[in-house]
Amino acid sequence: QVQLQESGPGLVKPSETLSLTCTVSGYSITSDYYWGWIRQSPGKGLEWIGSISHSGTTSYSPSFKSRVTIFLDPSKNQFSLNLSSVTATDTAVYYCARGRGGTPYWGQGAQVTVSS
Amino acid sequence: EIVLAQSPGTLSLSPGDTATLSCRASQSVSISYLVWFQQKPGQAPRLLIHAASVRATGIPERFSGSGSGTDFTLTISRLEPEDFAVYYCQYNGRPPWTFGQGTKVEIK
Repeated sequence: QVQLQESGPGLVKPSETLSLTCTVSGYSITSDYYWGWIRQSPGKGLEWIGSISHSGTTSYSPSFKSRVTIFLDPSKNQFSLNLSSVTATDTAVYYCARGRGGTPYWGQGAQVTVSS
Repeated sequence: EIVLAQSPGTLSLSPGDTATLSCRASQSVSISYLVWFQQKPGQAPRLLIHAASVRATGIPERFSGSGSGTDFTLTISRLEPEDFAVYYCQYNGRPPWTFGQGTKVEIK
């Protein structure tokens, strides 16, 4: 059974970098598929942040492109999100997910609040 | 970028009714990459349908997906009280991944 689990600080100060990690179990992230990050701000819909392929090719939403980095850590079967220069508008639940074929899997989400 | 437009925005129905939700894409989408989710307040999205018509594990048969090209439909037969929620369609193929704006199914 494939499982994804987000982890990282729940509180980040304005202007700092938000860092989250997604630990994948039951499947090797370097075998296939794309691995991505999605967020949901309070009361809003789902917003794609960016994705990385199993071979390390990244794609980012233009809304975040100047601030976002996604990378793989194959040794730990994890992929991570860095979002720099955060503001209160980055307060959201952040989800990691698998896509581009097969059964989609999502994590349960990580609440991140940006506040001083 | 594939833009997904869901309609209607809100559907007011009674338990036992049939709900028909539409997801229209701005360009043709491979059925392999069309997904439907259900979301209730305070919960993560729950996978219902992937590959346009394949029910996820544990999803009741009253949920069905259909469509191809640019027009996709989620049908919920015999609505149960627990089915009142927000439903999203998603394109999750080659990035960018995109989402519809959601359809809220509410109790009439």
